[in-house]
Amino acid sequence: DSGVTQTPKHLITATGQRVTLRCSPRSGDLSVYWYQQSLDQGLQFLIQYYNGEERAKGNILERFSAQQFPDLHSELNLSSLELGDSALYFCASSVVASGRNEQFFGPGTRLTVL
Amino acid sequence: ELKVEQNPLFLSMQEGKNYTIYCNYSTTSDRLYWYRQDPGKSLESLFVLLSNGAVKQEGRLMASLDTKARLSTLHITAAVHDLSATYFCAVVSRTGNQFYFGTGTSLTVIP
Repeated sequence: DSGVTQTPKHLITATGQRVTLRCSPRSGDLSVYWYQQSLDQGLQFLIQYYNGEERAKGNILERFSAQQFPDLHSELNLSSLELGDSALYFCASSVVASGRNEQFFGPGTRLTVL
Repeated sequence: ELKVEQNPLFLSMQEGKNYTIYCNYSTTSDRLYWYRQDPGKSLESLFVLLSNGAVKQEGRLMASLDTKARLSTLHITAAVHDLSATYFCAVVSRTGNQFYFGTGTSLTVIP
């Protein structure tokens, strides 16, 4: 158990819908990263937040957005869902903003878009 | 964009044998991570390599980093079935904020 929690574990929804994935980092970690893992794209970095502020953006679609709240939990919002958005979504946390510290991954949310 | 390549993509090896997984990356980075992922599970951190020439060992796994060659290796010694998993390397961007993952190497150890 990495100490990072994600909810829900599974999510099944229809195309065109909107969902919110939630992540709570390890105690003391200020940085949260979001990743998408799919069979065809592999593991893709989406976005990073540090202490409430966006720090880095990766291959995140405009239909996707995220935020980190004052209590440091983070939410990833996915809208106008398409079949291709079906994937495992992981969040990871680390103590600092830079890559000098390893990341600890949550258990993931499996999203299925029908 | 920083590119990370791993080879092989699939590896089937017998118990007791040795093998090496390679991770090449395209631009300068002095930080490299190795992760393990079991099917349907999350990623578990194995090694953090923070400087040129760094070598770390844990059990039957040993990782090394050559920043000049932009190459990291994960060496498996006397493989056992429990090592069957997918192994990822990841490299950090120069800003230190973006992580780029390799394609993963799916390892199957056969009794």
